[in-house]
Amino acid sequence: GENVEQHPSTLSVQEGDSAVIKCTYSDSASNYFPWYKQELGKRPQLIIDIRSNVGEKKDQRIAVTLNKTAKHFSLHITETQPEDSAVYFCAASSTGNTPLVFGKGTRLSVIA
Amino acid sequence: NAGVTQTPKFRVLKTGQSMTLLCAQDMNHEYMYWYRQDPGMGLRLIHYSVGEGTTAKGEVPDGYNVSRLKKQNFLLGLESAAPSQTSVYFCASIGYPGRPGRAGNTIYFGEGSWLTVV
Repeated sequence: GENVEQHPSTLSVQEGDSAVIKCTYSDSASNYFPWYKQELGKRPQLIIDIRSNVGEKKDQRIAVTLNKTAKHFSLHITETQPEDSAVYFCAASSTGNTPLVFGKGTRLSVIA
Repeated sequence: NAGVTQTPKFRVLKTGQSMTLLCAQDMNHEYMYWYRQDPGMGLRLIHYSVGEGTTAKGEVPDGYNVSRLKKQNFLLGLESAAPSQTSVYFCASIGYPGRPGRAGNTIYFGEGSWLTVV
């Protein structure tokens, strides 16, 4: 089955700097790659997703890139703000009946 | 529109006790999932259902049972709770995960259920 590896497990950045979180996946059939943000005590919230027919997608300060050949995808947050502090999860699935498989998460701390 | 609702939100169990977590969704979604979340482990799939009357095992199914008697409800049961089942449980649902580009591909999470087994 699918296996998703996420790095780093913790990340601290200064406010205004960029943050990058990387994930690799094992199943070449996977073609849907969402990213979730989870604040303490809350449910995961979808922040951006990308499908395998697209190499990059951007939404304001957040962008995701996908390299299908290397089977990795990354989350980029620019101009970080304290409210970006949270745990971020990547996930992968195929378009069949397979559920999302999640990475283990990255705890991002933005230092003011 | 309530989305995905989980009950109870908090529960403390003694080892060996049984309980059932209820997940209800009002979006007419076909697919429903139960995940558990432990520190440093991300979300791991326990069981899932691809439609009314169906269930399937996920990554960590041992010690849990599920039922999907009605399309809107997905129940997670612990027959004999163990301390290793102390966790946060998230239910989720999705409309049509096999159709890229459709709004139904978005997964909706419940608010979570905090379970402590002592």
